Amino acid sequence: IVMTQTPLSSPVTLGQPTSISCRSSQSLVHSDGNTYLSWLQQRPGQPPRLLIYKISNRFSGVPDRFSGSGAGTDFTLKISRVEAEDVGVYYCMQGTQSWTFGQGTKVEIK
Amino acid sequence: QVQPVESGGGVVQPGGSLRLSCAASGFTFSSYGVHWVRQAPGKGLEWVAFIRYDGTNKYYADSVKGRFTISRDNSKNTVYLQMNSLRAEDTSVYYCTAGWGLDYWGQGTLVTVSS
Repeated sequence: IVMTQTPLSSPVTLGQPTSISCRSSQSLVHSDGNTYLSWLQQRPGQPPRLLIYKISNRFSGVPDRFSGSGAGTDFTLKISRVEAEDVGVYYCMQGTQSWTFGQGTKVEIK
Repeated sequence: QVQPVESGGGVVQPGGSLRLSCAASGFTFSSYGVHWVRQAPGKGLEWVAFIRYDGTNKYYADSVKGRFTISRDNSKNTVYLQMNSLRAEDTSVYYCTAGWGLDYWGQGTLVTVSS
């Protein structure tokens, strides 16, 4: 399954919202009924960190300004008010059929 | 705090072998499936391999199948990645992650394949 993210770069103003789209080459609905679509954040010089799992569930400790939505093959990560610590690269990842990542979207401050 | 800790990276010649280890810090590894994910310098993430919590099932990316082997020793709270027939394109930071959904990540270990 190929994961395609848009945009690849997202300059944003502090305090403003931003969103990232992720499209899969086939449906991510698993035979067990779940959709294994996750979002990860990688800050500069840091390992990745899980933000969102199964489309819209925030992982432990993730601020509520991060939200995920979507279904089937189209998914979105939204940051309601971008903070300086949100700068980094964001990846979508599917775990329905093996595991594959999107190319990454770089979020930077204008 | 759930924190995998990787070790074993280094410089190796093309065609050589290396074994990476991932130890559990602050949690019991035997409860978790474990992935290896790599990231070439300046590039994105690439999933490499997964092993179930009990070691009964293992999965590999096509790019490493037949060359890499994932295993675990739950008595030692450790997961391994044996890497053989290494190529220049295997040069990456290798991350160990605990949990089916890649919940917890280590800091990574750098593998450089170069003559």
